[in-house]
Amino acid sequence: EAQVTQNPRYLITVTGKKLTVTCSQNMNHEYMSWYRQDPGLGLRQIYYSMNVEVTDKGDVPEGYKVSRKEKRNFPLILESPSPNQTSLYFCASSLSWEINSYEQYFGPGTRLTVT
Amino acid sequence: GNSVTQMEGPVTLSEEAFLTINCTYTATGYPSLFWYVQYPGEGLQLLLKATKADDKGSNKGFEATYRKETTSFHLEKGSVQVSDSAVYFCALSRDTGGFKTIFGAGTRLFVKA
Repeated sequence: EAQVTQNPRYLITVTGKKLTVTCSQNMNHEYMSWYRQDPGLGLRQIYYSMNVEVTDKGDVPEGYKVSRKEKRNFPLILESPSPNQTSLYFCASSLSWEINSYEQYFGPGTRLTVT
Repeated sequence: GNSVTQMEGPVTLSEEAFLTINCTYTATGYPSLFWYVQYPGEGLQLLLKATKADDKGSNKGFEATYRKETTSFHLEKGSVQVSDSAVYFCALSRDTGGFKTIFGAGTRLFVKA
């Protein structure tokens, strides 16, 4: 089944404790992206990757890191989480970033709470 | 900068009523426009898209037309069902040397039987 998977689905952690949220897709997609969803703000893009070894900042990159060493994986790293990073996080992928083939498939989400 | 504004919800309709969810955008150049739907407890799913002015996207009875003159991409459906209850997000994407996506705040739709 074609899908985007994220792990963990739920995570409660403490301020300052490094964590990684994994994202994997099995559709051979070039483009991958991370978003956070907060009430009243919709989704805001954190980082995106147009292909392996190519990543760039979205609108809210502060406090996050990403890497794209393999096509299928795009982990999100919080080196020192803070309470304002408590949110619902979504990973998404698209076959390509070119206009006619840009259609994002979303993972199920990771609900992160930082205390 | 680029932005997307959606009508505030929640929107509550009776089954078989006509639905309109307004979406306007601000962007330079020619963005692509999208509607996504999020059912409770799930990730977003692409509902429809349009990549150039006057294009009409359609899917599952939903339609939206890319209106460059009014910078709008309103979502419509002629007869809603209870199963359409969800949150709807309007979004734009634009190639600015990278390829970012901007989402609206979302509009929650409740459909009563």
